[in-house]
Amino acid sequence: AQSVTQLDSQVPVFEEAPVELRCNYSSSVSVYLFWYVQYPNQGLQLLLKYLSGSTLVESINGFEAEFNKSQTSFHLRKPSVHISDTAEYFCAVSDHNNAGNMLTFGGGTRLMVKP
Amino acid sequence: DAMVIQNPRYQVTQFGKPVTLSCSQTLNHNVMYWYQQKSSQAPKLLFHYYDKDFNNEADTPDNFQSRRPNTSFCFLDIRSPGLGDAAMYLCATSIDFGNEQYFGPGTRLTVT
Repeated sequence: AQSVTQLDSQVPVFEEAPVELRCNYSSSVSVYLFWYVQYPNQGLQLLLKYLSGSTLVESINGFEAEFNKSQTSFHLRKPSVHISDTAEYFCAVSDHNNAGNMLTFGGGTRLMVKP
Repeated sequence: DAMVIQNPRYQVTQFGKPVTLSCSQTLNHNVMYWYQQKSSQAPKLLFHYYDKDFNNEADTPDNFQSRRPNTSFCFLDIRSPGLGDAAMYLCATSIDFGNEQYFGPGTRLTVT
């Protein structure tokens, strides 16, 4: 079994400030890791993913996340946020060794960017 | 563009009146999922199909049923909606298990 913990339910930050959204997971096997973003009244959109290779992954809109196996973390960072980044962010993990395994989501972090 | 489509976006139903939510995909993915998401919570998996093979999560109420008549379409039937079933219902697809999932925009269900 695996689990995902997002330590912060809400993160308020001023525009143009840096932000880090924390995600820790537990799993006994190798995993794939994902960050999804959800804007109000919309579905989830994939922001970035780690499958293998370089532990630092980037999205097209300036977010990045780093897979840290020893700390079982996959924190999401952005050096300078915009008002439009205000949304709910979900970290998720799947066990790629188990053909029938589903995504396990964290509880979500609401990023609130203030002017 | 290939995508996941959900209709309607907003659905209002009466307590106990059956309702059907629909999902279609143009991605030709093998797996389709239905999630329930309540306010300020993570999505909760209800069930999924791998092609025509159906798998119900252990804690999904019997009140919730699903149909997948072909690769492209999947339906969520709520036989007797209760007030506690008001939520956003998300459909998602993936090419295989463990891969990234592509989500539709969701259907927000209100039960009066």
